[in-house]
Amino acid sequence: QKEVEQNSGPLSVPEGAIASLNCTYSDRVSQSFFWYRQYSGKSPELIMSIYSNGDKEDGRFTAQLNKASQYVSLLIRDSQPSDSATYLCAVFSGGYNKLIFGAGTRLAVHP
Amino acid sequence: DGGITQSPKYLFRKEGQNVTLSCEQNLNHDAMYWYRQDPGQGLRLIYYSQIVNDFQKGDIAEGYSVSREKKESFPLTVTSAQKNPTAFYLCASSTRRRDDGYTFGSGTRLTVV
Repeated sequence: QKEVEQNSGPLSVPEGAIASLNCTYSDRVSQSFFWYRQYSGKSPELIMSIYSNGDKEDGRFTAQLNKASQYVSLLIRDSQPSDSATYLCAVFSGGYNKLIFGAGTRLAVHP
Repeated sequence: DGGITQSPKYLFRKEGQNVTLSCEQNLNHDAMYWYRQDPGQGLRLIYYSQIVNDFQKGDIAEGYSVSREKKESFPLTVTSAQKNPTAFYLCASSTRRRDDGYTFGSGTRLTVV
């Protein structure tokens, strides 16, 4: 089983700052990458997908992918208290034909 | 609106009892998945199904069983052989496109009493 690794946190940032969430993966042939947000007691919600090297922006969110370094990140600009949640990184494993999830990073945005 | 419906939202199981968690989707997705999440931990795959009448064990299938008789439905049975079933259970579905990601249901919280 290939692994997806994330820092468990908590990552604490002040309101209005940029939150940077990081993820590394071990399967070199992975092609698709996803970020999910999970509020406490709720189910995960897909917020970003990326499959080409570089940056992909959607509103306040930017996903960054570097396949050579096997690294994917999520930047949240102008962080709000409502962004406080656990963020799950997921990588599609072609060999297993399914998503492999990281354990998640807990983000806390304080006023 | 299309989506995934899990029921019940909360479920209490007595020792030695089998219980079944329901998962229904109207997204016309081919693949369906069951995950277990323990407090403060990530998602662990129990079973998945890529097509009707076919399913595969995930990482923690012992003590669980599934069926996939219809494309829309993928029920999970937690048997008495599962010694520590208290957890948050999540059902998900996906298309065959690899870059669509998974859509999750709202989850079922199972507690042993």
